[in-house]
Amino acid sequence: DTGVSQNPRHKITKRGQNVTFRCDPISEHNRLYWYRQTLGQGPEFLTYFQNEAQLEKSRLLSDRFSAERPKGSFSTLEIQRTEQGDSAMYLCASSDGTSSYNEQFFGPGTRLTVL
Amino acid sequence: QKEVEQDPGPLSVPEGAIVSLNCTYSNSAFQYFMWYRQYSRKGPELLMYTYSSGNKEDGRFTAQVDKSSKYISLFIRDSQPSDSATYLCAMNSNTGGFKTIFGAGTRLFVKA
Repeated sequence: DTGVSQNPRHKITKRGQNVTFRCDPISEHNRLYWYRQTLGQGPEFLTYFQNEAQLEKSRLLSDRFSAERPKGSFSTLEIQRTEQGDSAMYLCASSDGTSSYNEQFFGPGTRLTVL
Repeated sequence: QKEVEQDPGPLSVPEGAIVSLNCTYSNSAFQYFMWYRQYSRKGPELLMYTYSSGNKEDGRFTAQVDKSSKYISLFIRDSQPSDSATYLCAMNSNTGGFKTIFGAGTRLFVKA
């Protein structure tokens, strides 16, 4: 399967714990995006990488959130001191930047539940 | 006010019906308008995109953009039960990163 993969698919944690999610984009896609999607809402932009550089961060991304893409390939999203409001689906998408409309290919998401 | 407004539905139609899905937006800088389909427990997948105003047809799907009214539509002809999903409108502009703004999504149910 050469699509975007995300791990884990589900994560249940207790409030206050740290969690880390991983995204493996489509090979050679230089752009990588993280989104958060809550029930009944569309994906909300969190952050964007061009290769290993993090070029944009949403105001939604509080200090408890950090994302990395150390070698311009896979990316990790860490949430520290989780809160119940962090419960959501975290989606990763990648693109190669060749289409004028920047078609993004999404992974299946990681569903986070904070108890 | 959100940049992109979309009625979340749900919308329930019988098989074979014509479905109309719509979004309005406020940012006149948007240039690319897309429709994504999202099945339950899956990530969104791109259905169609349109640049600026106009119509675009792809099989049973037609996308329309009216930039003067800041209004976009997706029409599905001869709807099928397999079309049952959430349809997300999305838009972006030709600025660094192409940050894409999504609507809330409309849940569609097509009954056999």
